[in-house]
Amino acid sequence: QQQVKQSPQSLIVQKGGISIINCAYENTAFDYFPWYQQFPGKGPALLIAIRPDVSEKKEGRFTISFNKSAKQFSLHIMDSQPGDSATYFCAAISNDYKLSFGAGTTVTVRA
Amino acid sequence: KAGVTQTPRYLIKTRGQQVTLSCSPISGHRSVSWYQQTPGQGLQFLFEYFSETQRNKGNFPGRFSGRQFSNSRSEMNVSTLELGDSALYLCASSIGTGDEQYFGPGTRLTVT
Repeated sequence: QQQVKQSPQSLIVQKGGISIINCAYENTAFDYFPWYQQFPGKGPALLIAIRPDVSEKKEGRFTISFNKSAKQFSLHIMDSQPGDSATYFCAAISNDYKLSFGAGTTVTVRA
Repeated sequence: KAGVTQTPRYLIKTRGQQVTLSCSPISGHRSVSWYQQTPGQGLQFLFEYFSETQRNKGNFPGRFSGRQFSNSRSEMNVSTLELGDSALYLCASSIGTGDEQYFGPGTRLTVT
């Protein structure tokens, strides 16, 4: 049973476009929400993370938006580049420090 | 600073055998977590070790076990392998429990 629901499963975007990935959770014990980027043959790499007391966090072209009341958060990749083609996982860490991952979104950026 | 290393990178085993995977964390990191990644189930938490003690455990059968040594290196063991154990096994290290985790490249286990 996936504690963090992620959508879409995959998306294709043109170079320069915006990629948007959405995640939702039910467990109110989650208090830290990291996003990971994974390239084929590699382990996931931490991309950006947010705590629920912040509504938005931006790092370069990557922005997390967080809606605590709706228990939803999303990743926006602005000005998407072919090098951003990867699988992205949202995750949530509960106060007992267990990390739960979403199912992943495969992003393909067309040149 | 060297990243998380995992050995071996690839492994092929037969049903019923057992396997041991190894993980060396980033220097200074005392927490090591293990995950199983499959196309069907995604990334699933196996267990976490901190200072040689298991701190957290996921919902996996007792065939999956692990340990951590005094230098923070960790091993994961799977006994009586089943076909469904074929997966990418990932190790992640962090400074402490609940801190940001850094993943290794994984060990690809194939059970035939």
